[in-house]
Amino acid sequence: GAGVSQTPSNKVTEKGKYVELRCDPISGHTALYWYRQSLGQGPEFLIYFQGTGAADDSGLPNDRFFAVRPEGSVSTLKIQRTERGDSAVYLCASSPSGAGGSGANVLTFGAGSRLTVL
Amino acid sequence: AQSVTQLDSHVSVSEGTPVLLRCNYSSSYSPSLFWYVQHPNKGLQLLLKYTSAATLVKGINGFEAEFKKSETSFHLTKPSAHMSDAAEYFCVVSNTDKLIFGTGTRLQVFP
Repeated sequence: GAGVSQTPSNKVTEKGKYVELRCDPISGHTALYWYRQSLGQGPEFLIYFQGTGAADDSGLPNDRFFAVRPEGSVSTLKIQRTERGDSAVYLCASSPSGAGGSGANVLTFGAGSRLTVL
Repeated sequence: AQSVTQLDSHVSVSEGTPVLLRCNYSSSYSPSLFWYVQHPNKGLQLLLKYTSAATLVKGINGFEAEFKKSETSFHLTKPSAHMSDAAEYFCVVSNTDKLIFGTGTRLQVFP
């Protein structure tokens, strides 16, 4: 598509529930990133995919968070047993290439999925 | 480890006056530096990028930034603010594929 698409744009859930957030990157972009932005803060890195594999998942806060990208395009961020502290805007970004490529680090961001855990 | 410090959480200017948003970086290597802008309910948009070519980088919407290694700074400037410049601005550093964001500076523009 023309840009990075994220769904849902807003999600309200109850503490303890399971949540999935979807990201549809720009067609042909091999690199895909998830960031989390809490109120009043800058985006924090969660995980980075190069193709189907997670090249760097060092930002995932704990084992309740998991992300997949099975076909190297769409990615899903999964949060188990949600907590109130998980409330944030989850941002997805994609890039034409990963390390060493000419398009390295030029990320295009989606509008984000706002998660509210009650 | 790489990091950026945005020295002002809020900046207020009058329309038509200059804008200065300050950023200092810390990096063990020659860094790539960026400025991103975030308008309300919009996605982050790249303003400009420095990758060790010219130290003065020109971006979109009349913004520019100057890389000063001696001061470890990458301040964002614009000669004349417009009402549409009101937004959150993020200074970003990277020397790998991971971008590290500052805490942001909210720019207010008064008529």
